[in-house]
Amino acid sequence: EVQLVQSGAEVKKPGESLRISCRASGYSFSSYWITWVRQMPGKGLEWMGSLDPSDSYTTYSPSFQGHVTISSDKSINTVYLQWSSLKASDTAKYYCARQVATIGSSWFDPWGQGTLVTVSS
Amino acid sequence: DIQMTQSPFSLSASVGDRVIITCRASQNISGYLNWYQQKPWKAPSLVIYAASSLQSGVPSRFSGSGSGTEFTLTINSLQPDDFATYYCQHSFNIPVTFGQGTKLEIK
Repeated sequence: EVQLVQSGAEVKKPGESLRISCRASGYSFSSYWITWVRQMPGKGLEWMGSLDPSDSYTTYSPSFQGHVTISSDKSINTVYLQWSSLKASDTAKYYCARQVATIGSSWFDPWGQGTLVTVSS
Repeated sequence: DIQMTQSPFSLSASVGDRVIITCRASQNISGYLNWYQQKPWKAPSLVIYAASSLQSGVPSRFSGSGSGTEFTLTINSLQPDDFATYYCQHSFNIPVTFGQGTKLEIK
């Protein structure tokens, strides 16, 4: 079974750093990009960026470029999302998802269960 | 960036009804359009990919159509498990963007 399992909920203070994780299983890790999506409380879905695990190439949404870093560790089939200095506005649920691509289309499936990040002083 | 606009924003329907949700793109995206279902406190799940292909395991009462700038998600004979929020998403280029969501509620 293809599965993405994310790390647990986090409570942090503004200015702190954080790294959350997404561990993949059930398929060839290097064969599919992994994407991160943000969902702020009561709001919709926002694409943050994606990583190719085969070479760690990343692409970011302009809205998130420079504020987060996406990385990976192929030895443990894991992709990370990290912040060096959190803001209260980073409070959200963060989802990872596998990007499936064919000639002519791509989509996200499956999704991780989500990691709730709360940033509060 | 390509803007995705869904309508309606919310929809009230009864079990057994047929509902249609529309998604419009701000430019031609060919068939690069996907639909996701999200239930409260749960992760989204894929319903339709490439505009009209039904994801494995999704009931056949769900269908998608459209190309270019206008797309629809149709749910025939609504079941209690279908009440959720639905999002469209384009994958035409970077950045990928989602519609604002359509909340389907029980009447």
